[in-house]
Amino acid sequence: QVQLVQSGAEVKKPGASLRVSCKALGYTFTSYDIHWVRQAPGQGLEWMGCMNPNSGNSTYAEKFQGRVIMSRDTSTKSAYMELNSLRSDDTAVYFCARGFSRYRLPGEDLLYWGQGALVIVSS
Amino acid sequence: DIQMTQSPSSLSASVGDRVTITCRASQGVGNDLGWYQETPGKAPKRLIYAATTLQHGVPSRFSGSGSGTEFTLTITSLQAEDFATYYCLQHHSYPLTFGQGTKVEIK
Repeated sequence: QVQLVQSGAEVKKPGASLRVSCKALGYTFTSYDIHWVRQAPGQGLEWMGCMNPNSGNSTYAEKFQGRVIMSRDTSTKSAYMELNSLRSDDTAVYFCARGFSRYRLPGEDLLYWGQGALVIVSS
Repeated sequence: DIQMTQSPSSLSASVGDRVTITCRASQGVGNDLGWYQETPGKAPKRLIYAATTLQHGVPSRFSGSGSGTEFTLTITSLQAEDFATYYCLQHHSYPLTFGQGTKVEIK
């Protein structure tokens, strides 16, 4: 069955960089987009961007432009989200989620989610 | 960007109650809208996609309606396991945007 398995919790210092991984299991990794969504403590869900694992092309939310890089390794069926210049307000749970295939069939988008990776940014 | 305005932000209800949550989009999104249930420590769970289609395996007490700019999630006969936070999400255009969430609490 489809699973997205994320890397574990991390503690980072302000100014550092973060890299969260998301390994795809049970489907063809390059056939579906990967989205990244985060949730700060007590806050709502926030979309960060998405990547096409086939082309490597990404679309980022304006808020994160210049600070985020989404990438992939097709040999390990893994997607990565790197966030730079971390601040305390980047403390959040970071989720990956599977998006549409190139056919954009109803119901494909953001059905399957990783378990989330807690990131704490603190000095 | 499309803004999703969700209301109410919280509500108190009893088991067996009917609950309605609304999302309004700042511009039309067709039926490119989903509803998600979030519980602490878990990934969001999709309940409804394409505005009105019940996700396989989700109880039939959940239903979605609307298109364009106004959408509704209805829970008929609220159950104990339904106390959670609910979000709408538009995927009509980038950036994808969520509503602010509705926390459903026990009265």
